[in-house]
Amino acid sequence: DVKVTQSSRYLVKRTGEKVFLECVQDMDHENMFWYRQDPGLGLRLIYFSYDVKMKEKGDIPEGYSVSREKKERFSLILESASTNQTSMYLCAIQREGRETQYFGPGTRLLVL
Amino acid sequence: GENVEQHPSTLSVQEGDSAVIKCTYSDSASNYFPWYKQELGKRPQLIIDIRSNVGEKKDQRIAVTLNKTAKHFSLHITETQPEDSAVYFCAARARGSNYKLTFGKGTLLTVNP
Repeated sequence: DVKVTQSSRYLVKRTGEKVFLECVQDMDHENMFWYRQDPGLGLRLIYFSYDVKMKEKGDIPEGYSVSREKKERFSLILESASTNQTSMYLCAIQREGRETQYFGPGTRLLVL
Repeated sequence: GENVEQHPSTLSVQEGDSAVIKCTYSDSASNYFPWYKQELGKRPQLIIDIRSNVGEKKDQRIAVTLNKTAKHFSLHITETQPEDSAVYFCAARARGSNYKLTFGKGTLLTVNP
């Protein structure tokens, strides 16, 4: 059974705070992704990583950065949180050479 | 880049009826098309996928069809049940990218008992 966990289910932060969202997998999958899910907008890719210390921008990277120091852990960082970053954040993993992406349970972030 | 349009945004059917959700994509080089189901409060889960060298794929009550010429693909659910109620997302992956999926905006399917 694929296991992807995210550090928090719900998070409330203030505008301007630095926010860390963490995704951890125990499947030894190479590829990891951060998506943002908003009603009526679907899932939009923020960043992805295909190896330790490797990252690529997705469709909406502005205002975010990422870190992957270990294979099993992929962090999404909001350098200075803003109210328009209030959203559901979903992490996903994928084995290299395979097609299926497996999602984590999501973190619902509220920025006040 | 790839653009995926999904219709309808909401769909309400009676239990036992069929439901069809359609997606169109813009990049003719896209070669992989998954469908994800997201129940309320849960994570998206893959329910079926199709590759560009196949026209149709079935798995029990669900099927996906692909028309490469028209650049559209559809999810078909037959004999719908209340537990089919969820948000469904289509996605497309461009050839040459092993990673990047572009998702549609989702369809909220409600199956009324």
